[in-house]
Amino acid sequence: QVQLQESGPGLVKPSETLSLTCFVSGGSISSNFWSWIRQPPGKGLEWIGYIYYSGSTNYNPSLKSRVTISVDTSKNHFSLKLSSVTTADTAVYYCARGTAMSYPPFDYWGQGTLVTVSS
Amino acid sequence: QSALTQPPSASGSPGQSVTISCTGTSSDVGGYNYVSWYQQHPGKAPKLIIFEVTKRPSGVPDRFSGSKSGNTASLTVSGLQAEDEADYYCSSYAGSNNSVFGTGTKVTVL
Repeated sequence: QVQLQESGPGLVKPSETLSLTCFVSGGSISSNFWSWIRQPPGKGLEWIGYIYYSGSTNYNPSLKSRVTISVDTSKNHFSLKLSSVTTADTAVYYCARGTAMSYPPFDYWGQGTLVTVSS
Repeated sequence: QSALTQPPSASGSPGQSVTISCTGTSSDVGGYNYVSWYQQHPGKAPKLIIFEVTKRPSGVPDRFSGSKSGNTASLTVSGLQAEDEADYYCSSYAGSNNSVFGTGTKVTVL
């Protein structure tokens, strides 16, 4: 059974960079796509971007200028960096396996981690 | 890319059926058969319940079914049960390797 676990600071100051890591257990990170998805409090889901185990990436056009997703296959984890954060970036951040085109899509999710942007 | 449009809420009595719509464009829902649905209980991660418009993952009851017509996809929950009360989100491939989610629908079991 694949399990995902997000890790990172729960509080980030405005204008700084949000950094999270998703640890994958129970399966290899290889041969799969891996996504980051976020959910502001009381609001809907927003796809942030994905990385393939080979390192190729694609980002939501609305966030593209601020997002970097990377992968470390040796440690079976992948990471998210979101720069120049504002209070609008406050959200629960989820990591998930797959993309909307995967078979199946977004089939495993982490429990989510709340990141608050505040001074 | 814009979020797919879902009704904010839907409701039904136990045993009844409820259908939720998910409206996009020809660039996402209407252009591909990569529509999926997720169930999210409060404080929990979303759970995949339908993918590729009509397919159910192993373990998902057949009370959940999906369909699509043009730019609108639909999720039907038949024989509503108390545990079906949750938020539901659709998702679609949006071209150029992008994914998009719907605005979400809160289902209430009366």
